Amino acid sequence: DAKTTQPNSMESNEEEPVHLPCNHSTISGTDYIHWYRQLPSQGPEYVIHGLTSNVNNRMASLAIAEDRKSSTLILHRATLRDAAVYYCILRPSGGSARQLTFGSGTQLTVLP
Amino acid sequence: EAGVIQSPRHEVTEMGQEVTLRCKPISGHNSLFWYRQTMMRGLELLIYFNNNVPIDDSGMPEDRFSAKMPNASFSTLKIQPSEPRDSAVYFCASSFSGANVLTFGAGSMLTVL
Repeated sequence: DAKTTQPNSMESNEEEPVHLPCNHSTISGTDYIHWYRQLPSQGPEYVIHGLTSNVNNRMASLAIAEDRKSSTLILHRATLRDAAVYYCILRPSGGSARQLTFGSGTQLTVLP
Repeated sequence: EAGVIQSPRHEVTEMGQEVTLRCKPISGHNSLFWYRQTMMRGLELLIYFNNNVPIDDSGMPEDRFSAKMPNASFSTLKIQPSEPRDSAVYFCASSFSGANVLTFGAGSMLTVL
């Protein structure tokens, strides 16, 4: 299975943009890039996913490198409530949600 | 819309006792997953059901663990007998089969003394 590499931790100031990187150099052409986050004492929560093109939704944006070997989750304006562990996960096309394998993620701290 | 509902939220028990964790998936979702999360091992998939049928239980650690899904709106994860190393947060999640998105419950924190 293709793996992802994320920094263990990052800090951001409140109300500033946050760019969370993810490397996936062994990604295959049909792997989707998923992001989930886990707030303290809660279950993981879906954030966004994409294949090749950049994606936007109400929570975040996903910027995917042209060669797809890396991606960046962008929180446009961090709030204290965005403090969480963010997971970058690859899922094969045609695969089911069972194939979401969670790594250790990036612990995001948002400073007031 | 109600989310995935898990109970109990917290369980403290003694070694050797039976533990039953419960999950109600989102109405209409036909896939259900049980995960376990510990500091050492992170989030691990234990078992996966599709249309109430267990599809993959390769993540179930031992015979002490069993899971059932008697109908589309209810699942249980049972540990008998429990051991201190079973202490963890157990999450239930549901989705439409083949869908991209998992919806997780708030988890059941189990402490086995």
